[in-house]
Amino acid sequence: GQQLNQSPQSMFIQEGEDVSMNCTSSSIFNTWLWYKQDPGEGPVLLIALYKAGELTSNGRLTAQFGITRKDSFLNISASIPSDVGIYFCAGHGNDMRFGAGTRLTVKP
Amino acid sequence: EAQVTQNPRYLITVTGKKLTVTCSQNMNHEYMSWYRQDPGLGLRQIYYSMNVEVTDKGDVPEGYKVSRKEKRNFPLILESPSPNQTSLYFCASSPIPRWRTQYFGPGTRLLVL
Repeated sequence: GQQLNQSPQSMFIQEGEDVSMNCTSSSIFNTWLWYKQDPGEGPVLLIALYKAGELTSNGRLTAQFGITRKDSFLNISASIPSDVGIYFCAGHGNDMRFGAGTRLTVKP
Repeated sequence: EAQVTQNPRYLITVTGKKLTVTCSQNMNHEYMSWYRQDPGLGLRQIYYSMNVEVTDKGDVPEGYKVSRKEKRNFPLILESPSPNQTSLYFCASSPIPRWRTQYFGPGTRLLVL
C-alpha cells in the first residue's frame, strides 16, 4: 500500500535553529500523529491531531492538521542537541499509514 | 511502569525455522498491533487486534500469523521465516477509543539467514 510522503528525508541544522517537516497524502485522513524515534528504541508519540485545521503544541513542538485533511506539518523551535532522532508522521483513514521518516541532526 | 515489552530484542535464525516474537502490555489496552520497519519504507502494519480473539490483516500480512488469546499478549508467529522477513519489528498498543495514539515497544531486530 502507498505510504505517506514525508519530507525532507534528512536535515542538518545548527543548535537554536527552527525546524519544519511535513507529510502529504493523496488520501484523506481522520487523524494525524507525529512520533520521534531514538536509536534502538520504539517510536514515541509527540503530538496527536484529530480535527482538520487543528494546531497543537507540545513544548517547543507545534503540529497542524491540514485543512484539506491530506497533509500535516511539524515545527520544532529553538532546536537542542537532544532533538536528534528520526521523526515520523502517521495518518489514519481506513488504516494506519506511516511516513518514511525525517532524520534530524543538530550540531551544537 | 506502563509499558509494552517485546522478546527477544534480537534474533538470528535460519530460513524455515519457526519462531515467535512475544509482545505484552500492562496498560489494559484493547488495541494491539505489529509493524515492521525497513529502511526507506517507514513502518508498515502486519496485523492488528481490536480485542481478545479479534485479529485483522494489516498492510503486509503474508508470512505472518498472530493470536490474541489474552488481552495483554499479542504474539507474532513466523511459521517458515524467509530472508525477506529480516527487519525491525515493533509491537504497539493503545486504548479504545483513542486507539490511533499507539504506544510502541522497544523493537525486535530479526535476521533470517
